[in-house]
Amino acid sequence: DAGITQSPRHKVTETGTPVTLRCHQTENHRYMYWYRQDPGHGLRLIHYSYGVKDTDKGEVSDGYSVSRSKTEDFLLTLESATSSQTSVYFCAIGLADHTQYFGPGTRLTVL
Amino acid sequence: EDQVTQSPEALRLQEGESSSLNCSYTVSGLRGLFWYRQDPGKGPEFLFTLYSAGEEKEKERLKATLTKKESFLHITAPKPEDSATYLCAVQDIAAGNNRKLIWGLGTSLAVNP
Repeated sequence: DAGITQSPRHKVTETGTPVTLRCHQTENHRYMYWYRQDPGHGLRLIHYSYGVKDTDKGEVSDGYSVSRSKTEDFLLTLESATSSQTSVYFCAIGLADHTQYFGPGTRLTVL
Repeated sequence: EDQVTQSPEALRLQEGESSSLNCSYTVSGLRGLFWYRQDPGKGPEFLFTLYSAGEEKEKERLKATLTKKESFLHITAPKPEDSATYLCAVQDIAAGNNRKLIWGLGTSLAVNP
């Protein structure tokens, strides 16, 4: 347990609504990541952060934005949710040796 | 293009029947290879990091090995509680400071009692 929590753990929303997922860490790690995991695609990187207010895009960033105003919190926002964004979302923190530790995940369903 | 391929996609073993999972990779230069275990409904759980060919690491019934082109996760005398999906990921030296990992699709292991 690397002190990572995600909220909410489950969410059902409707197409077109905004959604924000929160990742919180307790150990002041510099690197944080947002992934989505879908059958047949594995883990895909959405966005990552290498410090407060320092973020960059991953391989599937379209339709997503992130913010990191504090070291401990990394927020993922779906500005206008679509059914294709139904997925399981994982947050991870990155350690100095490049190992990543994952949170418990958020299951998002967009109807 | 960087790529990670895991095989087999699924494996079913009897309790006590040893076997190996494969992770083959293509990167310009390997910074590290990572093995994770994932149980249904949970996040991936870190198992091992390997950095150079010839390196081996062990944890209970699991042993990870690394060559210049692939890694094996050997499972000795597995138990039903070893049932999970095992994920492999690599980091390319060319990734620089962004530390991105390239993930395989995983091997789903089922161990029958």
